[in-house]
Amino acid sequence: EIVLTQSPGTLSLSPGERATLSCRASQSVSSSYLTWYQQKPGQAPRLLIYGASSRATGIPDRFSGSGSGTDFTLTISRLEPEDFAVYYCQQYGSSLYTFGQGTKLEIK
Amino acid sequence: QVQLVQSGAEVKKPGASVKVSCKASGYSFTGYYMHWVRQAPGQGLEWMGWINPKSGDINCAQKFQDRVTMTRDTSISTAYMELRRLRSDDTAVYYCVRDYGGRAFDIWGQGTMVTVSS
Repeated sequence: EIVLTQSPGTLSLSPGERATLSCRASQSVSSSYLTWYQQKPGQAPRLLIYGASSRATGIPDRFSGSGSGTDFTLTISRLEPEDFAVYYCQQYGSSLYTFGQGTKLEIK
Repeated sequence: QVQLVQSGAEVKKPGASVKVSCKASGYSFTGYYMHWVRQAPGQGLEWMGWINPKSGDINCAQKFQDRVTMTRDTSISTAYMELRRLRSDDTAVYYCVRDYGGRAFDIWGQGTMVTVSS
């Protein structure tokens, strides 16, 4: 089973700043199957990025994804107040889906 | 619009079973796999398995293979997930989620809180 490790666990930033979230896999992941979600308190997760770098429908272009192999990054270019949430990466491989443990993005 | 509407919260005793339903609307139910994902209080997301609504084929995470049953009723566009022999650590919000091209989960149900307590 591929283990995804997200860092940092918590990221404290101010609106307007740039956020860089990391997702590292225990073995190589196909970029086609690396996905990012955003979850706000009391809500279901929302699909942000699929295929490592493709934005889902309706996702603002301040969100971008990159990476390959074992290292993937979610970047939020300029934080808006509504971006403070928990972010999860997910991978699919060998008929299994696994999630990272999440990064909490909080207001500084 | 495309949506998944799940059944309401449940409280169960250890050893009991729970069956959660997920009604799809706004799209072709048999055209997309359906996944089940759970989230324990304050914890992360855990994938449980998927069902192909067209064929009924399923694939479950090994952890759940002997306790979970996934079924569907295509006549009412509804998927079901039954978890047996409940334990306290099964307390979680259970989500049904539509598959997006085998690579992501694009439409999420509102979640069903299952509490296991004696």
